[in-house]
Amino acid sequence: GQQLNQSPQSMFIQEGEDVSMNCTSSSIFNTWLWYKQDPGEGPVLLIALYKAGELTSNGRLTAQFGITRKDSFLNISASIPSDVGIYFCAGQRSYGGSQGNLIFGKGTKLSVKP
Amino acid sequence: GAVVSQHPSRVICKSGTSVKIECRSLDFQATTMFWYRQFPKQSLMLMATSNEGSKATYEQGVEKDKFLINHASLTLSTLTVTSAHPEDSSFYICSARDRSRGPLYGYTFGSGTRLTVV
Repeated sequence: GQQLNQSPQSMFIQEGEDVSMNCTSSSIFNTWLWYKQDPGEGPVLLIALYKAGELTSNGRLTAQFGITRKDSFLNISASIPSDVGIYFCAGQRSYGGSQGNLIFGKGTKLSVKP
Repeated sequence: GAVVSQHPSRVICKSGTSVKIECRSLDFQATTMFWYRQFPKQSLMLMATSNEGSKATYEQGVEKDKFLINHASLTLSTLTVTSAHPEDSSFYICSARDRSRGPLYGYTFGSGTRLTVV
């Protein structure tokens, strides 16, 4: 099935660093969602974006819905060890029918620098 | 609010047997539930959409007869992997949508089921 282009695939962080990741698509989306998945767990919703240009924060996390509706980014400021995990973006093209199903990016794996 | 419970979290079964996975919305009614499959280091791939009281809609390439989905109530959907084979080993995750929060609300995921077929 279709997937979003999410980058980077992986990154190493040092405590206190800011982190940035993004998702792009060739299609327009009405909703962008950002999830975090810990090993052996289901994804947990971090931020949901519903309007083009929208900038939303959740604690140290900030995400934006791109003005073209084809991209979104997630920033994590002052990272801490518990930020490690896999972050997925997900897009929804419409609110109903099969177009309302979520399409996922391939994920960005955050690890702690050795 | 919006909690989804998935059970079991882990299951090991013999090849040829069937396994049932349950997905429950604990504090809301979910007219629609979704079943995903996730391979190691991969993203979530939608298998099927489960609608309460009607047949599930399967994604292309997903065998309906192998992955039986039942959504008999507004709070429970089940996925049965029939005649399981080692290649069915995977992480299965369900999600549900809380429509009472409006059409814009995001999906809530269960904690997943690790299926190992030996």
